[in-house]
Amino acid sequence: EVQLVESGGGLVQPGGSLRLSCAASGFTFSSYWMHWVRQAPGKGLVWVSRINSDGSSTSYADSVKGRFTISRDNAKNTLYLQMNSLRAEDTAVYYCARALLVPAARGGYDYWGQGTLVTVSS
Amino acid sequence: AIQMTQSPSSLSASVGDRVTITCRASQGIRNDLGWYQQKPGKAPKLLIYAASSLQSGVPSRFSGSGSGTDFTLTISSLQPEDFATYYCLQDYNYPLFGQGTKVEIK
Repeated sequence: EVQLVESGGGLVQPGGSLRLSCAASGFTFSSYWMHWVRQAPGKGLVWVSRINSDGSSTSYADSVKGRFTISRDNAKNTLYLQMNSLRAEDTAVYYCARALLVPAARGGYDYWGQGTLVTVSS
Repeated sequence: AIQMTQSPSSLSASVGDRVTITCRASQGIRNDLGWYQQKPGKAPKLLIYAASSLQSGVPSRFSGSGSGTDFTLTISSLQPEDFATYYCLQDYNYPLFGQGTKVEIK
């Protein structure tokens, strides 16, 4: 059974840092592109970042570029999001998601974690 | 940057109704678009990928169409479990979600 389990969320002060983890199981993690998506309370979904299967290529939304870093450890089947210089507007539930393996299946993130809440407040 | 305009932002419908939600891209995105359903407190669920391909396990009353700039999600006969918020996602270059459509009970 495919599972994605996020951890690492919590309360942090503005300007602080946090590292989120997403533990993957039930599939060959090293074969899949992975994404982080966030959702502020009562708001819509926002794509944050993605990483290719071997970790050699990453992309970021403009709102987090230069502050967040996505990475992965394929030996540990784990995806990470290092978040620095956090702002109040980064407060959200953060989801990790797996992209469909088929190259032509764009727009398809087929498995999602349950989400971890990050609250940035003094 | 590509912009996505999803409409309507909300709609009221009855069980059995045919429901249509649209997403328009500011430039062509081929068929690099997915549709998602989200219920309160839950993670999104993939319904459609590559604009018109039904994800495994999703009921056939859901369908997607379109290519280029205009895309549609259709629910042919709304069921009680379909009341939720729906999002499109363009994945042509940098992924971007639409603003969402909340489907409520009439």
